[in-house]
Amino acid sequence: KAGVTQTPRYLIKTRGQQVTLSCSPISGHRSVSWYQQTPGQGLQFLFEYFSETQRNKGNFPGRFSGRQFSNSRSEMNVSTLELGDSALYLCASSGGQGYYNEQFFGPGTRLTVL
Amino acid sequence: SQQGEEDPQALSIQEGENATMNCSYKTSINNLQWYRQNSGRGLVHLILIRSNEREKHSGRLRVTLDTSKKSSSLLITASRAADTASYFCVPSGNTGKLIFGQGTTLQVKP
Repeated sequence: KAGVTQTPRYLIKTRGQQVTLSCSPISGHRSVSWYQQTPGQGLQFLFEYFSETQRNKGNFPGRFSGRQFSNSRSEMNVSTLELGDSALYLCASSGGQGYYNEQFFGPGTRLTVL
Repeated sequence: SQQGEEDPQALSIQEGENATMNCSYKTSINNLQWYRQNSGRGLVHLILIRSNEREKHSGRLRVTLDTSKKSSSLLITASRAADTASYFCVPSGNTGKLIFGQGTTLQVKP
């Protein structure tokens, strides 16, 4: 099976712009989670989607949003970008319906905000 | 929140030696997972141990779990330079929200 794919891999934006990142989970996986990783804050949970519904949410402002499509692909959007949004954004998919399963991570999208 | 705290923060050993990393957490869990992150292969799931298990093996990895002490350990035997990475323990409960700590940075010197 192909792994989790994320596009684009690298992105440069300027403050105030918005950005959309895409994640394709492993075939058959219905849960997709998003994380932000920065040197200062480490890995932080953004949100999780299961069957097109947001099931869990982290402590991020409303500028960060996401959605999941019927084929389980997911997108996250960040509006009104700030310098502090520069980070590696990781997407992970999980195959089980419950909460107790390992997550498989994609390579990430490196976002730089200038 | 269910976050693991890894100890030590950094560990440096010679190739061939064993590496032991510890993890403590504060709430009740359903399982505990260990992940590894390095620049070459990204963030990778290593092993999952359920709350009713005490020990689990996978190749050169051995994980223990003591729910009474709310602690876990990861042992890597016969370490290799390729084991150089950050290791995270992630306790998980009844939500799909994984909270990562700062991890243990392991350096294996050839």
